[in-house]
Amino acid sequence: QSALTQPRSVSGSPGQSVTVSCTGTGGDVGGYNYVSWYQQRPGKAPKLIIYDVSKRPSGVPDRFSGSKSGNTASLTISGLQADDEADYYCCSYAGTYTVMFGGGTKLTVL
Amino acid sequence: QLQLQESGPGLVKPSETLSLTCTVSGGSISSSSYYWGWIRQPPGKGLEWIGTIYYSGSTYYNPSLKSRVTLFVDTSKNQFSLKLSSVTAADTAVYYCARLDRALVWGSYAPPNWFDPWGQGTLVTVSS
Repeated sequence: QSALTQPRSVSGSPGQSVTVSCTGTGGDVGGYNYVSWYQQRPGKAPKLIIYDVSKRPSGVPDRFSGSKSGNTASLTISGLQADDEADYYCCSYAGTYTVMFGGGTKLTVL
Repeated sequence: QLQLQESGPGLVKPSETLSLTCTVSGGSISSSSYYWGWIRQPPGKGLEWIGTIYYSGSTYYNPSLKSRVTLFVDTSKNQFSLKLSSVTAADTAVYYCARLDRALVWGSYAPPNWFDPWGQGTLVTVSS
């Protein structure tokens, strides 16, 4: 299993939108609508922000949205806030009850 | 509110077996709706899925770790556990336990695929 491919870093100014990509293969991201995204602040456990490609758990602001096209899933954060600065990880179902994570993306709010 | 808490030694010697337990509170580990999983994160690096277990004892492992990993569940204690054998320094990481959830689609469950909630994590260092 190789990790899903994410950019190592992205950045944006407050109020702007940023998109984090997550590229896999037809055996994971492309084959199933089971992609989730996690936000991890330093020293903390990851927190679920998107599941099933585009669904938000209760309590997650609608500034966070997810989508998928082919073998690439995307997380978009609109109306960027300083508090959004964190690491973001994608995760995809990969068949036979296995999952795999992306390498993680560090979001910097300028 | 469901909570998970990892416990176990923070220091393990090379070639020995790492053992961790996750205690679930605020809900039953025997719920048919959920699975339970372990994830690790080496210092400064990304997340790696280790394995998943169901209350019945069914297990699923990361192929890269499968030869060294065993998961088991104790429903009477509402706990599930991880054993990782023949550890090396590369196994030094924060180990998290989490619940895996899944959607109900057209009356059938999808495979478990998202993690929520997570335990706080526990750092395990492999060193002599």
